[in-house]
Amino acid sequence: KQEVTQIPAALSVPEGENLVLNCSFTDSAIYNLQWFRQDPGKGLTSLLLIQSSQREQTSGRLNASLDKSSGRSTLYIAASQPGDSATYLCAANSNSGYALNFGKGTSLLVTP
Amino acid sequence: DGGITQSPKYLFRKEGQNVTLSCEQNLNHDAMYWYRQDPGQGLRLIYYSQIVNDFQKGDIAEGYSVSREKKESFPLTVTSAQKNPTAFYLCASSSHGGLYEQYFGPGTRLTVT
Repeated sequence: KQEVTQIPAALSVPEGENLVLNCSFTDSAIYNLQWFRQDPGKGLTSLLLIQSSQREQTSGRLNASLDKSSGRSTLYIAASQPGDSATYLCAANSNSGYALNFGKGTSLLVTP
Repeated sequence: DGGITQSPKYLFRKEGQNVTLSCEQNLNHDAMYWYRQDPGQGLRLIYYSQIVNDFQKGDIAEGYSVSREKKESFPLTVTSAQKNPTAFYLCASSSHGGLYEQYFGPGTRLTVT
């Protein structure tokens, strides 16, 4: 079973900083990895999907990378804003399974 | 607007009662999923369905049941056999089974007392 871990569990940064969120997974036979954002009491919003054949994906100020050999993915947020404050979840599935396996998330606070 | 709807947003039930959570999607997606989220834990898969009239158990299926009679709908019943049903329930869908981007609904918060 694919196990997913996210570090740190919580992060507080001042507005304008660039930051990196980390995600690690145990099964390198990954099919895809997806980053989500969750606001308190809300559902998940998909941010980026990286398929196993890709090394990275970019959307606006967000960049996600995937390194299957080391079992790691990072989400880079450039020029952070208070509106980026949320919990960020990483999820991965392996070739043997259809469901996503989620990490516990990183709670991000961007202060003005 | 295309998307996934879940109703109700909040649900309160007494212990011992069955309750059904609704999930509807108009994205024409084949696959649908139910996850449970508890504080301090990641999302855990309850059931998933790749096509109509077919579904599989996830990691924590005990005490839950589902049906998939229509492509657009995947209701989840929380039965009285579920020992700890109070949680935030999230429904998701993807265009094909699990290997493509998953999209989530707004969730239903169930409280059982």
